[in-house]
Amino acid sequence: DTGVSQDPRHKITKRGQNVTFRCDPISEHNRLYWYRQTLGQGPEFLTYFQNEAQLEKSRLLSDRFSAERPKGSFSTLEIQRTEQGDSAMYLCASSDPRAREAKNIQYFGAGTRLSVL
Amino acid sequence: AQSVTQLDSHVSVSEGTPVLLRCNYSSSYSPSLFWYVQHPNKGLQLLLKYTSAATLVKGINGFEAEFKKSETSFHLTKPSAHMSDAAEYFCVVSTYSGGGADGLTFGKGTHLIIQP
Repeated sequence: DTGVSQDPRHKITKRGQNVTFRCDPISEHNRLYWYRQTLGQGPEFLTYFQNEAQLEKSRLLSDRFSAERPKGSFSTLEIQRTEQGDSAMYLCASSDPRAREAKNIQYFGAGTRLSVL
Repeated sequence: AQSVTQLDSHVSVSEGTPVLLRCNYSSSYSPSLFWYVQHPNKGLQLLLKYTSAATLVKGINGFEAEFKKSETSFHLTKPSAHMSDAAEYFCVVSTYSGGGADGLTFGKGTHLIIQP
């Protein structure tokens, strides 16, 4: 499968614990995005990377959230001291702005569903 | 600033009848518009995109959408619904402002129900 993959698919944690999610983009896609989707809502943009550089962060990304993409390939999203309000689906997407036909298209993974008890 | 309004949170149609999912957008720049579909436990899948070429856009699985600038609308249609079309549909706008990400702005979604 050459699509965007995310791991784990589900994560249950207790309030106050730290969690980390991983995203592997489509190979050679140099842009990688993180979104959060809460129940009954559309996904909301969190942050994005161009290669290893994190170029934009949404106001939704509090200080407890940190994302990395150290080698410009896979990315991790860490949430420290989780709160019940962090319960959501975390989606990753990738794109290749150099692709002529697919320039503006983001391809999504299946997401990681986080439940904070 | 950009935003998307999906006018119906739920749409129910009978199998074999037409589907209409309504979307209005607001954008300061010339937008790119998309429809994505989300089936349970699956990733978001692109149905179609509009990027300032033809105003009538054909997508996968028989879906199409028409960009109407005067009405700021981008409604999704399909002539004949199939049971497998039951899913959540998102209208999405992307505006590259030149200063940041082409992060997508999603509508709240329309849940499409297909009655047998």
